[in-house]
Amino acid sequence: QVQLQESGPGLVKPSETLSLTCAVSGYSISSGYYWGWIRQPPGKGLEWIGSIYHSGSTYYNPSLKSRVTISVDTSKNQFSLKLSSVTAADTAVYYCARHGYSSSWYLDYWGQGTLVTVSS
Amino acid sequence: DIQMTQSPSSLSASVGDRVTITCQASQDISNYLNWYQQKPGKAPKLLIYDASNLETGVPSRFSGSGSGTDFTFTISSLQPEDIATYYCQQYDNLPRVFTFGPGTKVDIK
Repeated sequence: QVQLQESGPGLVKPSETLSLTCAVSGYSISSGYYWGWIRQPPGKGLEWIGSIYHSGSTYYNPSLKSRVTISVDTSKNQFSLKLSSVTAADTAVYYCARHGYSSSWYLDYWGQGTLVTVSS
Repeated sequence: DIQMTQSPSSLSASVGDRVTITCQASQDISNYLNWYQQKPGKAPKLLIYDASNLETGVPSRFSGSGSGTDFTFTISSLQPEDIATYYCQQYDNLPRVFTFGPGTKVDIK
């Protein structure tokens, strides 16, 4: 059973960089699939942030692209998110997830999510 | 960019009722449409992929249909455990972007 677990600081100061890691168990990232980050501000909807392939190929939401970096560490079976120059608008629950694919791309395994608050 | 709309934004129904949610894309997305259920404080859960395929382990009272720009998600007989917000999601290749609908909150009347 594929399991994902987010970790990282729950509080980040404005203008600093948010850093989160997603540890994957039950599946080797090196075997394939894309892996992504999604966020959800309190009381609001879901926003895809970006995704990465095991090879390191990435693609990002154009609205966040200038501030986002996603990387993968296959030796630790994990991938990471960095979001720079954060503001209060980046306060959200951050989820990591695996992409599934049939005719369309979807997100079939999700972490439980971690709340990140941006505040001084 | 493709925009997704959902209606209604919320609904209340009785246990056993048939519930229908619609999702509309701003342009033709074929059957590249997926549905998720999110219960309070939990991560979203994939229910339907490719517009009409039931994810493994999902109860058969959930179904999806549609293609092109108009899609429908149905709960044939609403159960108390179905209280959640439901999101549609599409994937666009140019540019490569996942887009979620705004969500439909389902409550028990």
